[in-house]
Amino acid sequence: DTEVTQTPKHLVMGMTNKKSLKCEQHMGHRAMYWYKQKAKKPPELMFVYSYEKLSINESVPSRFSPECPNSSLLNLHLHALQPEDSALYLCASSQDNRVYGYTFGSGTRLTVV
Amino acid sequence: GENVEQHPSTLSVQEGDSAVIKCTYSDSASNYFPWYKQELGKRPQLIIDIRSNVGEKKDQRIAVTLNKTAKHFSLHITETQPEDSAVYFCAASKPNFNKFYFGSGTKLNVKP
Repeated sequence: DTEVTQTPKHLVMGMTNKKSLKCEQHMGHRAMYWYKQKAKKPPELMFVYSYEKLSINESVPSRFSPECPNSSLLNLHLHALQPEDSALYLCASSQDNRVYGYTFGSGTRLTVV
Repeated sequence: GENVEQHPSTLSVQEGDSAVIKCTYSDSASNYFPWYKQELGKRPQLIIDIRSNVGEKKDQRIAVTLNKTAKHFSLHITETQPEDSAVYFCAASKPNFNKFYFGSGTKLNVKP
């Protein structure tokens, strides 16, 4: 299995809702990442987990809460989002704390209404 | 930090022509330079990468060149095809640092 799987593929949520995005990989990668991508822009790094510990938080608002339950799973919990948070959310993984073998998931298209 | 600049922002070529996209970086410690292709609504996909101990790398119609002294690297696509139409991102990263610095992207349009 050489894929990073993200669910759901599409999500529409209200500003008072709580939802979660899920990411899974079975490549034995020990680093996992969350990115946010707006249209026609490059991906923006949000969080990095390395060996299941949060190693980078790019000053992301607290309404986004990451969780890494084990080495194969990464969640992003969403609460009280704003319409400007609508974007494509990409998960990625790499072998370790270097970026070699970096693989992106297919993303979750999030719309906040 | 690191600053990666990418040019041009849009590029239109006729099918069969070559396309060149250029990136510059600021931090001489950066040692890994991947290129990603992203089709509309899809994930970024790695198409080619180069490490700083190599000056050029080729994979069929795609090549990447790196000039460490000038701190720039380029993507070359020969014999372009309509399916090459996409947004291309360059990136740079430093040793033992699991973060990419992305360029702003180039929208390539290959006209049949």
